[in-house]
Amino acid sequence: QKEVEQDPGPLSVPEGAIVSLNCTYSNSAFQYFMWYRQYSRKGPELLMYTYSSGNKEDGRFTAQVDKSSKYISLFIRDSQPSDSATYLCAMSGSNTGKLIFGQGTTLQVKP
Amino acid sequence: GAGVSQSPSNKVTEKGKDVELRCDPISGHTALYWYRQSLGQGLEFLIYFQGNSAPDKSGLPSDRFSAERTGGSVSTLTIQRTQQEDSAVYLCASSSRSYGYTFGSGTRLTVV
Repeated sequence: QKEVEQDPGPLSVPEGAIVSLNCTYSNSAFQYFMWYRQYSRKGPELLMYTYSSGNKEDGRFTAQVDKSSKYISLFIRDSQPSDSATYLCAMSGSNTGKLIFGQGTTLQVKP
Repeated sequence: GAGVSQSPSNKVTEKGKDVELRCDPISGHTALYWYRQSLGQGLEFLIYFQGNSAPDKSGLPSDRFSAERTGGSVSTLTIQRTQQEDSAVYLCASSSRSYGYTFGSGTRLTVV
């Protein structure tokens, strides 16, 4: 079993939909949780960063961490075609330690 | 520079040849990481540098893989006697003491 599990999709939604992306993990030592967005043939870019449990909102994006369930989520409101990309969850036990990544979920937002 | 720079962006090599991949991190970032991303897969950790030291090299797949970092800056990942299964995108990232990584665009390695 992988330390971090993420459904690879693909996920296809109409423009304007609310998107929910999720990851589960097994290592209770993880404290830092991130979401990266990766466009084709580009490196991943940091989208959201959360320490420990709770919610964090940034514009159309909301990240949630539930450490008791070992479950993290990323919500995208009013999705746009430009949101079409692969979304990778990542987590670590320290703020500069190695990140463990999920497999990534491919999202397509159709106009 | 403003971001993490990797070179070359693409590399095609013959099976059995050695290759060197270069990473220029963001100035002042003390931590540097190498990851590998195979088609349809997530990112696989290879090695982590703190300064010029590599406290975690647990992800290097075999002794054909090695990496070094000099001057607390540039890093080189070397793959000797390349095999077809080495074909992947090799990503470098650097980090400050704040949070998160900044990734480069990667080197796409194809072994033919």
